[in-house]
Amino acid sequence: AQTVTQSQPEMSVQEAETVTLSCTYDTSESDYYLFWYKQPPSRQMILVIRQEAYKQQNATENRFSVNFQKAAKSFSLKISDSQLGDAAMYFCAYRSWVEYGNKLVFGAGTILRVKS
Amino acid sequence: DAGVTQSPTHLIKTRGQQVTLRCSPISGHKSVSWYQQVLGQGPQFIFQYYEKEERGRGNFPDRFSARQFPNYSSELNVNALLLGDSALYLCASSPALALLDKDTQYFGPGTRLTVL
Repeated sequence: AQTVTQSQPEMSVQEAETVTLSCTYDTSESDYYLFWYKQPPSRQMILVIRQEAYKQQNATENRFSVNFQKAAKSFSLKISDSQLGDAAMYFCAYRSWVEYGNKLVFGAGTILRVKS
Repeated sequence: DAGVTQSPTHLIKTRGQQVTLRCSPISGHKSVSWYQQVLGQGPQFIFQYYEKEERGRGNFPDRFSARQFPNYSSELNVNALLLGDSALYLCASSPALALLDKDTQYFGPGTRLTVL
């Protein structure tokens, strides 16, 4: 079974600065998807960024980018020019390529606090 | 277009009771998944339904059941409630079940269940 580990329960960043959230995962599969989801205090889970394991290029979405290290099974999220609206719980998630269906396996989450 | 909707928003039950949670997917989405998110933890997969059939089940007891209706909406039922069932229950919809590049799951705001 796949597992996802987020070792940082909480992180803080100054507004306009850059912060990196860590995620590692364990799998025996060679093809899969990785995601970062954001859950603000309003609770609605929002997709931030997605990475396909077969793609070597790191995904980027505006101020959000990932550092995908397949051999190390590491998938970190970098948030540049942090804004107050970035404050939320961030979840790293894994989705199998082989297993039927699109079940997501989530990490425990990292609370991101943004200071003004 | 409306996003994923869930009802009710909050629910308080006592031990031993039964509860039904409801989810309406995004229009055109045929797959619905249910997740349980205990406070301070990441969501855990409970069920996935596609075209009214169960396509995946997580490690939850038989007290948990679900179904999907012809209009693709879904209900999650939990019988004989335990204190440990207190959690945020999230519903997610996606267009299909296949391992498509763009088959992202979109989450609803959740139902907060408190068992006393």
